Parts: sequence; structure tokens; C-alpha cells
Amino acid sequence: SAVISQKPSRDICQRGTSLTIQCQVDSQVTMMFWYRQQPGQSLTLIATANQGSEATYESGFVIDKFPISRPNLTFSTLTVSNMSPEDSSIYLCSALTGFIGTDTQYFGPGTRLTVL
Amino acid sequence: DAKTTQPPSMDCAEGRAANLPCNHSTISGNEYVYWYRQIHSQGPQYIIHGLKNNETNEMASLIITEDRKSSTLILPHATLRDTAVYYCIVRVNGGFKTIFGAGTRLFVKA
Repeated sequence: SAVISQKPSRDICQRGTSLTIQCQVDSQVTMMFWYRQQPGQSLTLIATANQGSEATYESGFVIDKFPISRPNLTFSTLTVSNMSPEDSSIYLCSALTGFIGTDTQYFGPGTRLTVL
Repeated sequence: DAKTTQPPSMDCAEGRAANLPCNHSTISGNEYVYWYRQIHSQGPQYIIHGLKNNETNEMASLIITEDRKSSTLILPHATLRDTAVYYCIVRVNGGFKTIFGAGTRLFVKA
């Protein structure tokens, strides 16, 4: 299994500013992901964080708005840039561990972001 | 897009079995069925997964039909703490991303 922690757990930010969310996993994992969950909605995948290279973004998400880093196998950051109230959401880090047939995806507790 | 269809909500009496259905009629031969749940204000929690055989662990049982086009998650003795949104997901095992659908909101009532 993997235990995932995120910092900060919540924040209130002004529009036009940026926030960087940190994600730490307690063991080496094969893949890391970032999701967004808007109030009352399901999870939407933002991107796959690739170690040592540019993240792979899903349709509707771009690097300029959500730059992602993954310098090693256990750590990743997501930045929400030039924020607007529409960015108010819960942002979740996720990690995949295990081997073919047994791999399992784990999730962090989320970062609750409110943009004023 | 999510490849599964689930009822939006279900009720269950405390102590009874909760049976959550999922349709995945377009599942491919190499795709597994995964179940997660999300309790309010928490990150999703892995429950169980399977390919074609029925699976059981300490949390739940997963029953997959022979044609693999549908499955059922069974919580044998539901408690109030099992109230959550349950997500059924199909994906290829071995390093692939998870796409979430809308899930089923399960209410366990005393």
C-alpha cells in the first residue's frame, strides 16, 4: 500500500495569484496523477505526472495553467496559476503502485482551494 | 469518458447486505473492474478489483458475470460508516490512468 500526504490541506487565495500543492508518497510508486473535484461532482483527471519530464495533460487542461513537477519517484507538485473563482475545487494527488495484475491506485486526502 | 453505468443512488438498511450494480458492456478482454469509494471530505479509497473471477477481501466481494459485461459489489453487513459514493471503474491493469464516472451514492440507514 501507499500513504499519500498533501500540503496544504486547504487554502483561501485571491484571484490572480498562484498556489503550489505538494504531494508526498511514503514509498516508491510507478505513476502519479493529479485530479480535480468540483463541489458535488466526480473526480476529473488533470494530468499524469511523469518523473523527470513534462506531465501528460488531459483534454481541457494545459501546462501554463497547471504546471506540474515530479523530480523523483515519491514527490510531485501541482501549481494552480493565475487563479479565478472557477478554480475553487478539491485537488487530489494519486499514486499507482504494484505490478501487472495487482496494481492499485491510492489517493491523498485532497487540498481544498477557495479562490475569492 | 467513463466506460461504466451505475445507478445514481441506493439505500440500504444497517446490518443488511448492500449490493451495488455496475454495467460495463464495452469492457475489453484486458480490462479489469475496480471499485473505489469516497466518504465525504476524504480521498477515494480502493476497495477491490478483479478480471473475471469473483473476488473477496476483508471489505467486500466482487461478483463479475461470465460475459464480464456487468458486476456487483457486495458489502455483506453494511454499517453507517459505509455511507459513501461508490465508483466502478474499468481499466487496463499495469500502469494506466483511472477515469471516474458519476458513481453510486449509497445511504446506509439505521
